[in-house]
Amino acid sequence: GENVEQHPSTLSVQEGDSAVIKCTYSDSASNYFPWYKQELGKRPQLIIDIRSNVGEKKDQRIAVTLNKTAKHFSLHITETQPEDSAVYFCAASKDSGYALNFGKGTSLLVTP
Amino acid sequence: GAVVSQHPSWVICKSGTSVKIECRSLDFQATTMFWYRQFPKQSLMLMATSNEGSKATYEQGVEKDKFLINHASLTLSTLTVTSAHPEDSSFYICSARTVSTDTQYFGPGTRLTVL
Repeated sequence: GENVEQHPSTLSVQEGDSAVIKCTYSDSASNYFPWYKQELGKRPQLIIDIRSNVGEKKDQRIAVTLNKTAKHFSLHITETQPEDSAVYFCAASKDSGYALNFGKGTSLLVTP
Repeated sequence: GAVVSQHPSWVICKSGTSVKIECRSLDFQATTMFWYRQFPKQSLMLMATSNEGSKATYEQGVEKDKFLINHASLTLSTLTVTSAHPEDSSFYICSARTVSTDTQYFGPGTRLTVL
């Protein structure tokens, strides 16, 4: 089955700096790669996703890149703000309607 | 649109009792719902895939007789934790897949604590 690795497990940055979280996956059949933000005790919120026919996608301060050949994808957050502090999960699946295989998560702390 | 609710939001029960958790898609029909479990400070792990009108498909290592899933309608799936034990204490989250957009939306989760 699919195995998703995520690094780093914790990340601390100063407000205004950029944050990068990286994930690798094992199943070449995976075509859908979403990123979720989860605050303590709450549901995961989809922040951005990318499909395998696209190499990069951007939404304001958030961007995701995908290297399908190398089987890795990354989340980039620019101009970080304290409210970006949360746990971020990457995931992979065949497509958006299929079960998700999650990475172990990255706890991001943005200090003022 | 695309709102998923769960009930209850939290439950505390004694060891040996059964607990039922409901997952509802409020404004769309969901032919497929997924149940995940999340232990403290860990990731979400898929437990089972629930398809309306058919038996659920369980992931390896998840006991189907312990975690009973019923998906009797296009808007409701239930997870029953039978004979719960302290090690079943966890955050249970469902997600529902919309037919129209082929996107899944997460419920708010249910915090189960077994004493």
